[in-house]
Amino acid sequence: GAVVSQHPSRVICKSGTSVKIECRSLDFQATTMFWYRQFPKQSLMLMATSNEGSKATYEQGVEKDKFLINHASLTLSTLTVTSAHPEDSSFYICSAHMGRGLGETQYFGPGTRLLVL
Amino acid sequence: RKEVEQDPGPFNVPEGATVAFNCTYSNSASQSFFWYRQDCRKEPKLLMSVYSSGNEDGRFTAQLNRASQYISLLIRDSKLSDSATYLCVVNDYGQNFVFGPGTRLSVLP
Repeated sequence: GAVVSQHPSRVICKSGTSVKIECRSLDFQATTMFWYRQFPKQSLMLMATSNEGSKATYEQGVEKDKFLINHASLTLSTLTVTSAHPEDSSFYICSAHMGRGLGETQYFGPGTRLLVL
Repeated sequence: RKEVEQDPGPFNVPEGATVAFNCTYSNSASQSFFWYRQDCRKEPKLLMSVYSSGNEDGRFTAQLNRASQYISLLIRDSKLSDSATYLCVVNDYGQNFVFGPGTRLSVLP
């Protein structure tokens, strides 16, 4: 089946540094990818929609200058957490849609666990 | 009212029990429906799509009632490995997939 990969799977960084997370669709081209964040014991929260070749669409309350999204190709989207702080520690998951209409299905990457010290 | 609502859980059931998950959605224009499972500290994984006629995959049965805007998932003969959080997901064409908050299931030996 379709595969979405993420890198790195885990990162620990100091407060104030920037962290880049890559999301790749391995078996298909994805014009749109999605970035989610999940805090412990909470549900997924959509952060932004990443559109190939154009600006990302951010959900209300998500700072676009803090969470930089670049979707430079049909198989790669990156999320950069700039000047990370401990409250940014979370599980970040990307996803891509495959198919259209009734056949459209969402596939998730394995996630990136970020710990900011 | 939230777009997708689920039983709050958690459900703690013994091995072999039958367990039912309920989900309601608010957007009557929704077209596609799914159940995902998410293991602790892992990403969600597609369990099954839900079709209007209802569908079954082994011990799992999913049903959709469009009139009531209600989706269900039934797990029969539950196994320890079924322990996870079950997410109800609704897709409105051209929009994002909308996730329910999830219902956590613990199958006890």
